[in-house]
Parts: sequence; structure tokens; C-alpha cells
Amino acid sequence: SQTIHQWPATLVQPVGSPLSLECTVEGTSNPNLYWYRQAAGRGLQLLFYSVGIGQISSEVPQNLSASRPQDRQFILSSKKLLLSDSGFYLCAWSSGGRSAGELFFGEGSRLTVL
Amino acid sequence: GESVGLHLPTLSVQEGDNSIINCAYSNSASDYFIWYKQESGKGPQFIIDIRSNMDKRQGQRVTVLLNKTVKHLSLQIAATQPGDSAVYFCADLSGYALNFGKGTSLLVTP
Repeated sequence: SQTIHQWPATLVQPVGSPLSLECTVEGTSNPNLYWYRQAAGRGLQLLFYSVGIGQISSEVPQNLSASRPQDRQFILSSKKLLLSDSGFYLCAWSSGGRSAGELFFGEGSRLTVL
Repeated sequence: GESVGLHLPTLSVQEGDNSIINCAYSNSASDYFIWYKQESGKGPQFIIDIRSNMDKRQGQRVTVLLNKTVKHLSLQIAATQPGDSAVYFCADLSGYALNFGKGTSLLVTP
């Protein structure tokens, strides 16, 4: 069966510090991978998605970046965090290609920037 | 901007009653819709989906209705239980990714 893991689950970072959130998927190959952000009391905002190794599509211009160094690994990064980067970050995967579209989410990473 | 939205931010129902959560979308080209349930501090979980060639789909205790004429879909939960308390999101497929609405918080009272 397929599983998705993301870490860390929670972190508190000072403004201006770097960020690295990692996500890995097991039990499938060539998945589409996604990073969403959820601010408190808000919906899910798509940040990045990737349909293959090294391919990244950015939906929202900001100080975050994403990378996909391996087929089932997706990393969310920042060189300098802002207060507004606080939120709940969710990694998700779906079957490769423009398939049914069902996304499977990880348990999330809660980021607090102070 | 968002192409989907929810009519009400919160919904309170009594245990055993039926719940109806509504959602409107603006992209008439959307052909796939999903409902997700998100419990506090967790990632969203799939509930049910529907394609635009259908107007109704049923699951276990849940039914999704799609009205393409008015670009509206709803999630009906039968015999609502305390474990149904969560935030519910509708989403439509836009390209490779799902576009989510803001969510409706469902509170089930005894």
C-alpha cells in the first residue's frame, strides 16, 4: 500500500532563518507531488506541484521554493522565513499524469515563525 | 483566485440528524470534484468524488449532488455522528492540481 511521510511535524523558527520540509512517498512510482499551505481558519492554498523529477510548477510567487531530487521525494525550502510563512504545510501525492485527481495527504507540518 | 467556495463557514447539527454542506464553483470547465474531511491537526482525508457526467453519487452515509446548471455541489451526511465533527472542503480539479474552497466546520452536538 502507498504511504506518505512528511517531517518535521512541528517546528518553530525565527524570522530570517532557513526552512526545509521533507516529504516522501512509498509504494508508488512517478507520482504527482504537491505542497499546500493552510493558514489558520483558511482553506488549502496550492504552493507547488511536480509531475516528474526536477520538474516544479509554482502557483504562488513568494520566498518559498520546492525541489524534487528523487522520484518520490519532495522538499519545500526557504532561505529566509517571514512571519507570514507561518501555517500548516501539507504534502500530497496523486497518481502520475492527469489522472482521477484524488490527492492523498500527509499528516502536515506546523510551522510557527517568530 | 479561488474557483470554489463554501456558503457557510460553520454548521451545527444534532447527533442523528442529516447534514448538508454546500459548495459553489465558478469554473464551468471543471469536470471532477472531491469532498475532503479534515480533523483538527491532521491532513485532509478523501470522502467522496464525482465527475461532471454524473449528478449524484452515494457512499457509505454520504451522498454528493452536482448541479452543473448552477455550478453547485453538496455533501449530504446521513445520521450525523460525533465523529463527523471536522472541517469539510470541496475541491475541483484544475489542470494537475485540486483547487480547494475555504471549508465548512461541522459541529455535531449530542
